Amino acid sequence: DQQVKQNSPSLSVQEGRISILNCDYTNSMFDYFLWYKKYPAEGPTFLISISSIKDKNEDGRFTVFLNKSAKHLSLHIVPSQPGDSAVYFCAATLGNNNDMRFGAGTRLTVKP
Amino acid sequence: DAGVTQSPTHLIKTRGQQVTLRCSPKSGHDTVSWYQQALGQGPQFIFQYYEEEERQRGNFPDRFSGHQFPNYSSELNVNALLLGDSALYLCASSLVDRAYGYTFGSGTRLTVV
Repeated sequence: DQQVKQNSPSLSVQEGRISILNCDYTNSMFDYFLWYKKYPAEGPTFLISISSIKDKNEDGRFTVFLNKSAKHLSLHIVPSQPGDSAVYFCAATLGNNNDMRFGAGTRLTVKP
Repeated sequence: DAGVTQSPTHLIKTRGQQVTLRCSPKSGHDTVSWYQQALGQGPQFIFQYYEEEERQRGNFPDRFSGHQFPNYSSELNVNALLLGDSALYLCASSLVDRAYGYTFGSGTRLTVV
């Protein structure tokens, strides 16, 4: 059961432009959402998170938006840099439930 | 400060064999979770260990078992390997009940032939 979906396997943007990565979920009980970034041969690295009581969380160039009614969240990267090129995973969890559900990932390529 | 360390980095096994993967958590963390990441998919939760006991388990068969030692390190054991067990196995450590505080290791790439 794929409760977290990232429907775009890849995204390519020009350096300096905005990158928008999307994620949809089906379980309305999820109350905490996270984005991880993964470089080749490395484990996923926590990037940014958002609680379901918020609709936006910002950290430098990274902003996550949550639309609970649409069960949709997105990660905005502005401005995009070549070093942002990686696979981005969306994840969701329920309370203190440690069974964190991941999407399949989106490979972002930022071209110089 | 060392992060999460996993060993070995790569492993090739034959169908039907058994394998043990190892994980040392980040200093200060007391909880270890294991994930399986198949090619082209996101990580899937296998189980989590805290205080040397399995706290929670994902949808994986009993062939997958684990252990946590008093020093918080952990092992993942897979018996009767199947071709479909070929994947990247990720270990993540955290403080208990802090899912957002996960630190992942680089993983062990298991290939079953």
